[in-house]
Amino acid sequence: EAQVTQNPRYLITVTGKKLTVTCSQNMNHEYMSWYRQDPGLGLRQIYYSMNVEVTDKGDVPEGYKVSRKEKRNFPLILESPSPNQTSLYFCASSLGTGALDEQYFGPGTRLTVT
Amino acid sequence: SQKIEQNSEALNIQEGKTATLTCNYTNYSPAYLQWYRQDPGRGPVFLLLIRENEKEKRKERLKVTFDTTLKQSLFHITASQPADSATYLCAFLNYGGSQGNLIFGKGTKLSVKP
Repeated sequence: EAQVTQNPRYLITVTGKKLTVTCSQNMNHEYMSWYRQDPGLGLRQIYYSMNVEVTDKGDVPEGYKVSRKEKRNFPLILESPSPNQTSLYFCASSLGTGALDEQYFGPGTRLTVT
Repeated sequence: SQKIEQNSEALNIQEGKTATLTCNYTNYSPAYLQWYRQDPGRGPVFLLLIRENEKEKRKERLKVTFDTTLKQSLFHITASQPADSATYLCAFLNYGGSQGNLIFGKGTKLSVKP
């Protein structure tokens, strides 16, 4: 089954404790992206990757890191999480560039930072 | 910077009626515009993509229009059903961004009453 998977689905952590949210897709997609979704602010892009070893900032990249060492994986790293990073996070992928192709979204990761 | 606005946070209609949702944007006109459906706690699901040279696109009970003069896209659901209740998002490429920098509207929550 074609899908985007994220792990963990739920995470409660404390301020400053490094964490990684994994994202994997099995569709051989070139493009992958991370979003956060907050009430009243909608879905905002954090980082995206057009291909392996190619990443770029979205609209809200501060406090996040990403890497794209393999085509299928695109982990999101929070080196020192803070409470304002409490949010619902989505990973997405598409065959080509983000604007031209339908995005396939993962199920989401609900992160709480205390 | 580019702004994207969806006409209202919530729209309530009666089953069988046509729901019309609006996506307005400022500044430049995107070449492509996408519409997604999102159910509570789940990732968005792609519905339709429309290009600037397409005035209208249809898929079953869904219809999207794109008016570059008005800087607006309309999303219609005909013969609406309670199962159509969800939040609907529009998205396109951010002005000045690379092909991967997508921005989303905050969404319109549609409720279809039986």
